[in-house]
Amino acid sequence: DGGITQSPKYLFRKEGQNVTLSCEQNLNHDAMYWYRQDPGQGLRLIYYSQIVNDFQKGDIAEGYSVSREKKESFPLTVTSAQKNPTAFYLCASRGTGFGWYGLNEQFFGPGTRLTVL
Amino acid sequence: AQRVTQPEKLLSVFKGAPVELKCNYSYSGSPELFWYVQYSRQRLQLLLRHISRESIKGFTADLNKGETSFHLKKPFAQEEDSAMYYCALSPTRKGGAGGTSYGKLTFGQGTILTVHP
Repeated sequence: DGGITQSPKYLFRKEGQNVTLSCEQNLNHDAMYWYRQDPGQGLRLIYYSQIVNDFQKGDIAEGYSVSREKKESFPLTVTSAQKNPTAFYLCASRGTGFGWYGLNEQFFGPGTRLTVL
Repeated sequence: AQRVTQPEKLLSVFKGAPVELKCNYSYSGSPELFWYVQYSRQRLQLLLRHISRESIKGFTADLNKGETSFHLKKPFAQEEDSAMYYCALSPTRKGGAGGTSYGKLTFGQGTILTVHP
């Protein structure tokens, strides 16, 4: 099952610790996204990257950081500054370019469930 | 700023009954609208998008710009339709939000659909 992979599936963190969630894709997509999924709040965008070495803050970027050094990888770090980090985190990617019908479809990974102890 | 509202957190119907999941949006430009679905233990996936005007798994959705709605409908619900459904909006390439926002999705809060036998 290729496409987008996220690891680990479950992650436990002590308060005050930083943790990094992995997201890898082999779809040759330029754009990648990180969302947070909470019950009753839907998916909220944390960070996104349209191209390598560039990324933008989403709606809830405080307490998070990202990097985009490679096209295939978009890791998310949840820092100790994030006040309520327990959530389900979803990574997505999207192809870019012109003249492609499925251009605006995002493909999602299986998610990482982060729990702060 | 764009906003997507799904007024129903939970929706229950019986097998064979019609089902309609409501979605309303606010956006100053001309958006692209999507429905995503998350079945139990599966990753989030695209169900349909308004520009393709297609029917997927018996579901259809019509963009009503006058009412700013994109409701998802199916005339005869099946048990396998039980899932979480998200409505999502993206600025278009020609939209007023500009190129960096193209492809960036804003999700509604989600509706859990349960189809009873």
